[in-house]
Amino acid sequence: GAVVSQHPSWVICKSGTSVKIECRSLDFQATTMFWYRQFPKQSLMLMATSNEGSKATYEQGVEKDKFLINHASLTLSTLTVTSAHPEDSSFYICSAKSSSGLAGVFGPGTRLTVT
Amino acid sequence: GNSVTQMEGPVTLSEEAFLTINCTYTATGYPSLFWYVQYPGEGLQLLLKATKADDKGSNKGFEATYRKETTSFHLEKGSVQVSDSAVYFCALFTGGGNKLTFGTGTQLKVEL
Repeated sequence: GAVVSQHPSWVICKSGTSVKIECRSLDFQATTMFWYRQFPKQSLMLMATSNEGSKATYEQGVEKDKFLINHASLTLSTLTVTSAHPEDSSFYICSAKSSSGLAGVFGPGTRLTVT
Repeated sequence: GNSVTQMEGPVTLSEEAFLTINCTYTATGYPSLFWYVQYPGEGLQLLLKATKADDKGSNKGFEATYRKETTSFHLEKGSVQVSDSAVYFCALFTGGGNKLTFGTGTQLKVEL
């Protein structure tokens, strides 16, 4: 079946630094990728939707200059958290969808801790 | 707009008990409905889905029926196991929006 991977699975960084998270579709071409954020014991909050080769569409309230999303190929999207602060600590999950797919396949998530 | 309402947890059951997690939705158009499961520290896994009214999705002993008349997609399992302990998310997808709308999740704890 379709598989989506994320790297790294967890990362600890210092406040003020930037962190890049990768999301890859391993056996299909992902025309659309979604980035979610999940706080402890809460539901998923959609941050942005990216289509290959296009600029990402951000949800209301999400800072596009802070959360940089690049979807340069049909199998890879990256989320860069710039100038990270402790309040950015969270679980980030991506989802990838092919043009014929229904709703997407989720990656295993990346736990970010900013100290 | 679209929305999904799930029963609040946590739901605590003894092993082999019957499980129901309620889910109702509001949507424009004709949504597809999903249940996802999230084990501790992991991402979401698709558990089952239904794409049209009266469809029944089933997997690993879980099942849910798409009820258009009651706008519901309740998750059921006849006999839960300790390994079913996880958080369950109900979600809907409409092609026009091209994105999933999630419920708040229901934590299930199954004890021996």
